[in-house]
Amino acid sequence: DGGITQSPKYLFRKEGQNVTLSCEQNLNHDAMYWYRQDPGQGLRLIYYSQIVNDFQKGDIAEGYSVSREKKESFPLTVTSAQKNPTAFYLCASSGDLRVKNIQYFGAGTRLSVL
Amino acid sequence: AQTVTQSQPEMSVQEAETVTLSCTYDTSESNYYLFWYKQPPSRQMILVIRQEAYKQQNATENRFSVNFQKAAKSFSLKISDSQLGDTAMYFCAFMRRYQETSGSRLTFGEGTQLTVNP
Repeated sequence: DGGITQSPKYLFRKEGQNVTLSCEQNLNHDAMYWYRQDPGQGLRLIYYSQIVNDFQKGDIAEGYSVSREKKESFPLTVTSAQKNPTAFYLCASSGDLRVKNIQYFGAGTRLSVL
Repeated sequence: AQTVTQSQPEMSVQEAETVTLSCTYDTSESNYYLFWYKQPPSRQMILVIRQEAYKQQNATENRFSVNFQKAAKSFSLKISDSQLGDTAMYFCAFMRRYQETSGSRLTFGEGTQLTVNP
């Protein structure tokens, strides 16, 4: 089945530690996105990538980093510089943006601070 | 910058009845897309319905339909014959027309928690 897989489902971070959230898609989509969701708020864009080896900052990129070495993968690293990392993180992807601009989402990763 | 506002943090409806969720947005763009996503307790984001701004006809998907008022910048979602499985957080979202330099970013509202009561 085609889809977007996020792992792990739950993640705990110690103070000063970097952690990486995985996002893999087998939909052959060019574009991928990372969103953060806090309680009572909508989703906010962290980073996005339209093609391999290229990515752009979203609205809340500080304290996060990404890479896009393969079309299928778009991992997100939450660095120690992110002082309030506790949130629900969602990865999304979309196909030909000129024709079909629907974003499809993974099941998410809940990150908590120990 | 675009903004999306959902003024109803919570709503409830009886099973089999109809409910309307409100959404307004602000943009200077003329070509754009509007979406409603639902997020059930599983937290999985699911696309409900999509509207293209250049189309005057309101989109429909089975029990879900929208009332798109471009001049008023309003995009409400109507759910007919509500079912228990419709209980979820509903998000309105805006996307400008694709551009090479900025891609297609979604801007979300803060969501409306809908509860369908038996």
